[in-house]
Amino acid sequence: GENVEQHPSTLSVQEGDSAVIKCTYSDSASNYFPWYKQELGKRPQLIIDIRSNVGEKKDQRIAVTLNKTAKHFSLHITETQPEDSAVYFCAASKMGSGYSTLTFGKGTMLLVSP
Amino acid sequence: DTEVTQTPKHLVMGMTNKKSLKCEQHMGHRAMYWYKQKAKKPPELMFVYSYEKLSINESVPSRFSPECPNSSLLNLHLHALQPEDSALYLCASSQERLWDTQYFGPGTRLTVL
Repeated sequence: GENVEQHPSTLSVQEGDSAVIKCTYSDSASNYFPWYKQELGKRPQLIIDIRSNVGEKKDQRIAVTLNKTAKHFSLHITETQPEDSAVYFCAASKMGSGYSTLTFGKGTMLLVSP
Repeated sequence: DTEVTQTPKHLVMGMTNKKSLKCEQHMGHRAMYWYKQKAKKPPELMFVYSYEKLSINESVPSRFSPECPNSSLLNLHLHALQPEDSALYLCASSQERLWDTQYFGPGTRLTVL
């Protein structure tokens, strides 16, 4: 089955710095890669995603890059703010017949200090 | 509207109790999912329903029993749970032709005494 590795497990930055979280996946059949942000006690919230036919996607301060050959994708957050502090999960998705299956990385706890 | 709702928010139950978790979405999504999340861990898939039919059961113990009465509603019936079943139970849904984009509900925090 699919295996997703995520690094680092913890990331501390100063407000205004950039943060990068990296994931690798094992199954070349995976074709969709979402990133979820989860604040303490809250639901995982989809913040950005990328499909396998695209190399990069950006949404304001957040960007995701995908290298299909290396089976590697990354989340980039620029100009970090304290409210960016949360746990971030990457995931790799495969389609079933009328559904999908997400395999999550173990998560990165991002702490942004003022 | 990307709203998935779950009730109750919190549930405390004894090992001999029977309780149910409820999930609703009114976005016309035809796939619905149950996940279990332990503290500081990623969500783990339990069940997948597609067009109200069970498509995936990830070898979940029979003390968890899912039900999909209609396309908007998903239940998880609980019976004879163990303390290690205490976790956040998340529901998610996804739509036709965009099955891979899953939207999560707020979860039910379950404590088994």
